[in-house]
Amino acid sequence: NAGVTQTPKFQVLKTGQSMTLQCAQDMNHNSMYWYRQDPGMGLRLIYYSASEGTTDKGEVPNGYNVSRLNKREFSLRLESAAPSQTSVYFCASGGGRGSSGNTIYFGEGSWLTVV
Amino acid sequence: QKEVEQNSGPLSVPEGAIASLNCTYSDRGSQSFFWYRQYSGKSPELIMFIYSNGDKEDGRFTAQLNKASQYVSLLIRDSQPSDSATYLCAVWAGGFKTIFGAGTRLFVKA
Repeated sequence: NAGVTQTPKFQVLKTGQSMTLQCAQDMNHNSMYWYRQDPGMGLRLIYYSASEGTTDKGEVPNGYNVSRLNKREFSLRLESAAPSQTSVYFCASGGGRGSSGNTIYFGEGSWLTVV
Repeated sequence: QKEVEQNSGPLSVPEGAIASLNCTYSDRGSQSFFWYRQYSGKSPELIMFIYSNGDKEDGRFTAQLNKASQYVSLLIRDSQPSDSATYLCAVWAGGFKTIFGAGTRLFVKA
């Protein structure tokens, strides 16, 4: 069981370049998420998708776009990369309702450097 | 702004001791609380969750929740060097947004 898989793991971009981070989950979860993690800032939500066909902004959406391609896949696109977008990006999916709430499961992360 | 606060640490404990990690949250409507462990260069992995006041035990880990004080903690008994990591507290107040604390770094000395 692979869980949440994201690619690429490492990427170096030049300022102004574009790229797409890919993510897929095999846990049959409805909700999916993109977070970024910066030192001292914790995990910050960029965008999320409550279900197939819907996407919503999180805490830090500027400079990003997302696509929920189907139930399994949720991609994150940087249209014109900036040095401020240098970060570690985590894709996640969410499952479980009721008392356990919406439990978040993370992919392995994508380390992105913008020079 | 809904917040989750953790002491950044590092918290240093000797091997075999009890490590106590604390977290406070601002949203009184929060319903479920999660602890994640994150090793350096790795992704967060779920340790346990709690939603009722009191204690919940899972092996060497005990989560404690006090909703009146808006406080949740994680105790690690018989701490091992392999427990050295950053521990993230996360709070769910409904819907599809979970708020994460910035994490507490734990160092267990052999």
